Amino acid sequence: AQTVTQSQPEMSVQEAETVTLSCTYDTSESDYYLFWYKQPPSRQMILVIRQEAYKQQNATENRFSVNFQKAAKSFSLKISDSQLGDAAMYFCAYRSLYNNNDMRFGAGTRLTVKP
Amino acid sequence: GAGVSQSPSNKVTEKGKDVELRCDPISGHTALYWYRQSLGQGLEFLIYFQGNSAPDKSGLPSDRFSAERTGGSVSTLTIQRTQQEDSAVYLCASSLPWAGEQYFGPGTRLTVT
Repeated sequence: AQTVTQSQPEMSVQEAETVTLSCTYDTSESDYYLFWYKQPPSRQMILVIRQEAYKQQNATENRFSVNFQKAAKSFSLKISDSQLGDAAMYFCAYRSLYNNNDMRFGAGTRLTVKP
Repeated sequence: GAGVSQSPSNKVTEKGKDVELRCDPISGHTALYWYRQSLGQGLEFLIYFQGNSAPDKSGLPSDRFSAERTGGSVSTLTIQRTQQEDSAVYLCASSLPWAGEQYFGPGTRLTVT
């Protein structure tokens, strides 16, 4: 079974600084998707960034980028120039390319942004 | 177009009562998922619908939980004889078939008193 581990229950960053959230996963599959979702207090899950495992290039979306290390099964999220609105729970997720209903979420990291 | 919608936004019910939670997916999304999120926890998979195929019910925690999807669109999650441990946020998500990301609704917060 695929598992997703987020080892940082809580993280804190100063506004305008950079923070990295860690995620590791376990799988025997070679092709899959990885995601980071953001869940603010409104509880709406918002897709932040996605990465296809067959792509070597790390995905980037504005201030959000990932460091995808396939061999190490690591998928960290870097948030640059942190803003107050970035404060939220962040969930790392794995989705099988072959099994449409196999999507696993990590336990989440609560990010606090200090003004 | 519109995103995934869920109703009600909040539901308070007495222990032992039945509740129905509704999810309206994004138009054209044939895959629909229900998750449960307990306070401060991650997401627990409940059930998955894909088109007209038989649903994957492997995540339903007990036979008090059931779900249906009518006409391949709107889905209803029913919890019978609610218990206090059923208190959680219930999230619905939809996606295109064999697409990567899921799109989530705002969730229903269920409180069983």
